[in-house]
Amino acid sequence: RKEVEQDPGPFNVPEGATVAFNCTYSNSASQSFFWYRQDCRKEPKLLMSVYSSGNEDGRFTAQLNRASQYISLLIRDSKLSDSATYLCVGDGGSQGNLIFGKGTKLSVKP
Amino acid sequence: NAGVTQTPKFQVLKTGQSMTLQCAQDMNHNSMYWYRQDPGMGLRLIYYSASEGTTDKGEVPNGYNVSRLNKREFSLRLESAAPSQTSVYFCASSVWGVLGEDTQYFGPGTRLTVL
Repeated sequence: RKEVEQDPGPFNVPEGATVAFNCTYSNSASQSFFWYRQDCRKEPKLLMSVYSSGNEDGRFTAQLNRASQYISLLIRDSKLSDSATYLCVGDGGSQGNLIFGKGTKLSVKP
Repeated sequence: NAGVTQTPKFQVLKTGQSMTLQCAQDMNHNSMYWYRQDPGMGLRLIYYSASEGTTDKGEVPNGYNVSRLNKREFSLRLESAAPSQTSVYFCASSVWGVLGEDTQYFGPGTRLTVL
């Protein structure tokens, strides 16, 4: 079964900390990867797509390592508002077939 | 531009009752999806529709049916609800990106309890 695995956490960090999440995927044919953010009792929202060259959006940096089949998300200068569950997502090799990890919970404390 | 909308937001059913969950998107996306999310299980695909007029089974289709009514609307029907179908149901729609990635956008969800 194609899977995306991630540490469930929770990660408890102070404001201003840098935190990194990793996830691994089993389907070597996967081409597209994403990080979604999900707040408690809300829908998942796209945080960023992950490209082979790595990409950055403000305080967030995503990296893809195809050789080792893992994806990472780095959050710098954590804010209280970053507290959420972060979902790692990879495509299953066909359209409509996104495989979601179970999520990593982040709690940023004052 | 409302994005993806779902109705109802909450629903309680008795075992054996039927109901239809409604989903609509105003982003002119071709593809639409239904997921369920359970504690400790992550999001699992129930059915999807790659384009108007087509539907395909996902990972957990048993006990559900879908209808792609038009490009905007994709409904999910439970013919005879069971307690195992207690879950949060999310509808999503997607657009293909310039690099071939299929980016999905989610509705706010329907919280269903089957007693």
